[in-house]
Amino acid sequence: DGGITQSPKYLFRKEGQNVTLSCEQNLNHDAMYWYRQDPGQGLRLIYYSQIVNDFQKGDIAEGYSVSREKKESFPLTVTSAQKNPTAFYLCASSPDRGVFFGQGTRLTVV
Amino acid sequence: GEDVEQSLFLSVREGDSSVINCTYTDSSSTYLYWYKQEPGAGLQLLTYIFSNMDMKQDQRLTVLLNKKDKHLSLRIADTQTGDSAIYFCAENDRGSTLGRLYFGRGTQLTVWP
Repeated sequence: DGGITQSPKYLFRKEGQNVTLSCEQNLNHDAMYWYRQDPGQGLRLIYYSQIVNDFQKGDIAEGYSVSREKKESFPLTVTSAQKNPTAFYLCASSPDRGVFFGQGTRLTVV
Repeated sequence: GEDVEQSLFLSVREGDSSVINCTYTDSSSTYLYWYKQEPGAGLQLLTYIFSNMDMKQDQRLTVLLNKKDKHLSLRIADTQTGDSAIYFCAENDRGSTLGRLYFGRGTQLTVWP
């Protein structure tokens, strides 16, 4: 199946722990993105990468980190420095037009 | 997100047309998008329109773009209960990274049988 796979679908972590969210795509897209969605809100951009081994901060990058070692993969680490990590996280990828999203990971920090 | 505005709720009867409206602020946006989100799911790309177009039609969906007023609308013909979802309008980054999108807060569409 072609698409964007995010795992896991649900994630629970204790406060103070780092956690890594997985995002894999087999669409051969160069660009990949991480967005955060809070209840009743639109999506906000955390980080994006237009090419392997390169990435840029989005609008709310504080407390997050990413890597882009392979074209297919763009993992997001939510660190203990992120003050309000509980949210729905969406990964996306893009060819030259259109932005396509995965099914999301719901992170709950207790 | 505060640059893209949408009304929060819309209710229609099954079989009627739905019109979801959106205003945006950046005249340099290249593409404008409509996404659909069902509960607990990711965003499904419904359609997008290039900024030099006025209208785009795709089966039951019609997108109208008024660049002068920076107004975008999505019309769903013959609305079905399966169309009940949250619909997001988004504009792309101000002229550079095409995938860097700015979203509205979403319009919750409820379709009554």
